[in-house]
Amino acid sequence: EDQVTQSPEALRLQEGESSSLNCSYTVSGLRGLFWYRQDPGKGPEFLFTLYSAGEEKEKERLKATLTKKESFLHITAPKPEDSATYLCAVKFSNYQLIWGAGTKLIIKP
Amino acid sequence: GAGVSQSPRYKVAKRGQDVALRCDPISGHVSLFWYQQALGQGPEFLTYFQNEAQLDKSGLPSDRFFAERPEGSVSTLKIQRTQQEDSAVYLCASSLDLGEQYFGPGTRLTVT
Repeated sequence: EDQVTQSPEALRLQEGESSSLNCSYTVSGLRGLFWYRQDPGKGPEFLFTLYSAGEEKEKERLKATLTKKESFLHITAPKPEDSATYLCAVKFSNYQLIWGAGTKLIIKP
Repeated sequence: GAGVSQSPRYKVAKRGQDVALRCDPISGHVSLFWYQQALGQGPEFLTYFQNEAQLDKSGLPSDRFFAERPEGSVSTLKIQRTQQEDSAVYLCASSLDLGEQYFGPGTRLTVT
């Protein structure tokens, strides 16, 4: 069964404390992996797309990487404004995505 | 430029009432998606449009759910005879080329 699992469910960090979020998947025929950020009461905001193992993308304090079984979202020296739920989604057909449940990230000042 | 907009942002319906949720996608985006999101979960696929054609409605939970996009732009998700289990956030997303999807703010539906 196609599945996307994110861990941990929640992560509390001090400002400046770097860490990583994990997205593991069991999907045949990966056609892309997407990372989104979602703030309370808002829709998901697109961050990155990764298409093949070994690919990396960066944006400010975030870097996303992809292997054949999982993706990591690395956050370096986070700030309180990075607090949000981070969602990953895997594309397994021309248009359909399977979503993980998200990791709630809290950055304390 | 303007993003995806949805209205209303909040809707309270009594059980048994019909509701209609509207989505205005980004201009020129061919693909439009509806999702349902429960608290603490990722979005769940409901239906997909390419222009005005509804190509996939496999995620609609029951025949009380109906979606349309008659002119290939604005879309409406209609729920008939609402039930408490329909309470959720309904998200709309649009995409230019089936790459990344851009989401609206969602409509929070509460059925009492």
